[in-house]
Amino acid sequence: DSGVTQTPKHLITATGQRVTLRCSPRSGDLSVYWYQQSLDQGLQFLIQYYNGEERAKGNILERFSAQQFPDLHSELNLSSLELGDSALYFCASSVGAQGTYEQYFGPGTRLTVT
Amino acid sequence: GENVEQHPSTLSVQEGDSAVIKCTYSDSASNYFPWYKQELGKGPQLIIDIRSNVGEKKDQRIAVTLNKTAKHFSLHITETQPEDSAVYFCAASMKRGETQGGSEKLVFGKGTKLTVNP
Repeated sequence: DSGVTQTPKHLITATGQRVTLRCSPRSGDLSVYWYQQSLDQGLQFLIQYYNGEERAKGNILERFSAQQFPDLHSELNLSSLELGDSALYFCASSVGAQGTYEQYFGPGTRLTVT
Repeated sequence: GENVEQHPSTLSVQEGDSAVIKCTYSDSASNYFPWYKQELGKGPQLIIDIRSNVGEKKDQRIAVTLNKTAKHFSLHITETQPEDSAVYFCAASMKRGETQGGSEKLVFGKGTKLTVNP
């Protein structure tokens, strides 16, 4: 158990809908990262927050957004969902902002868009 | 560009044999190299990491070696067991562009599916 929690574990929704994925980092960690994992793309970095502020963006679509709250939990919002958004979404946390700190991953949310 | 190449993509070994997974990276300034193990239906788990001031690190049956000159690093698993079967990812830290403050990020390889046959 990494100490990172994610809810829900599974999510099934229809095209065009909007969903929110939630992540709570390990105690003491200030950074939260979001990754998308699909079969043919490996782990794709989406976005990072550090202590409430957006730190870095990766391959995140404009239909996706995220935020980190004062208690350091983070939410990833996915809107106007398409079939191709079906994937595993992981969050990871680390104590610092830089990529040279150990990142610990949560169990993931499996999103299925029908 | 920013790239981490990982080989092989699949690896099948007999229980008790050794397994080696290799990664190469493009950024000579990279200085942090973690390895993750992902079992089916679970999130990636950090199993070992190495920083550029050391050439080798061991933890029981797993070891990682780093060759900064050649820009490659490897994961070695000895005396493999069926429970070692999983997908393994390597990663390397790399500098982001100036528009993102030149901070560090992790770039992942595409993974190696290891199967250990009893």
